Amino acid sequence: QVQLVESGGGVVQPGGSLRLSCAASGFTFSTYGMHWVRQAPGKGLEWVAFIRYDGSNKYYADSVKGRFTISRDNSKNTLYLQMNSLRAEDTTIYYCAKVLREYSALRGAFDIWGQGTMVTVSS
Amino acid sequence: NFMLTQPHSVSESPGKTVTISCTRSSGSIAGNYVQWYQQRPGSSPTTVMYEDNQRFSGVPDRFSGSIDTSSNSASLTISGLKTEDEADYYCQSYDSSNVVFGGGTKLTVL
Repeated sequence: QVQLVESGGGVVQPGGSLRLSCAASGFTFSTYGMHWVRQAPGKGLEWVAFIRYDGSNKYYADSVKGRFTISRDNSKNTLYLQMNSLRAEDTTIYYCAKVLREYSALRGAFDIWGQGTMVTVSS
Repeated sequence: NFMLTQPHSVSESPGKTVTISCTRSSGSIAGNYVQWYQQRPGSSPTTVMYEDNQRFSGVPDRFSGSIDTSSNSASLTISGLKTEDEADYYCQSYDSSNVVFGGGTKLTVL
């Protein structure tokens, strides 16, 4: 059974840092690109970042570029999102999501989503 | 960057048919595939439609997707509406370096 489990969310002060993790199981993690997507309470979905299956290419939304870093450890079947210089507007639920097709690049459909982890940026 | 515009809400009665539109602001709607995601209250999104008109595994054939190049838009059509279809629906597409979601449409089945 394909499963994605996010962790690492919590409360952090403005300007602080946090690292989110997404543990993958039930599929060959090393052959699929992965995304982070976020959603503020009561708001719509916002794409955050994408990493190719081998980590060779990474893409970021303008709102997080220079502050967030996506990475992966294929030996641990885990995706990460390092978030620095956090702002109040980064307060959202963060989802990781797997792409549909193996070896696909940025232009690939999402298929499986995790349950999300909540990040609250507040003093 | 381009935008995807969806109606904020639609409503229809059980058994009827509803269509949710998604209009691309710039660039051709046919240039990059469109996906649709369903999100019920308190749950993560799930994939409904991918690559314009391909139903995701387990999605009933009451759901269908299409694109219209004349209006530069994509549509998700749900026929034979059921109360369980009540949810938020998001369209999504790409350009060369960005992934974009529409603002979401709240479907009410009443």
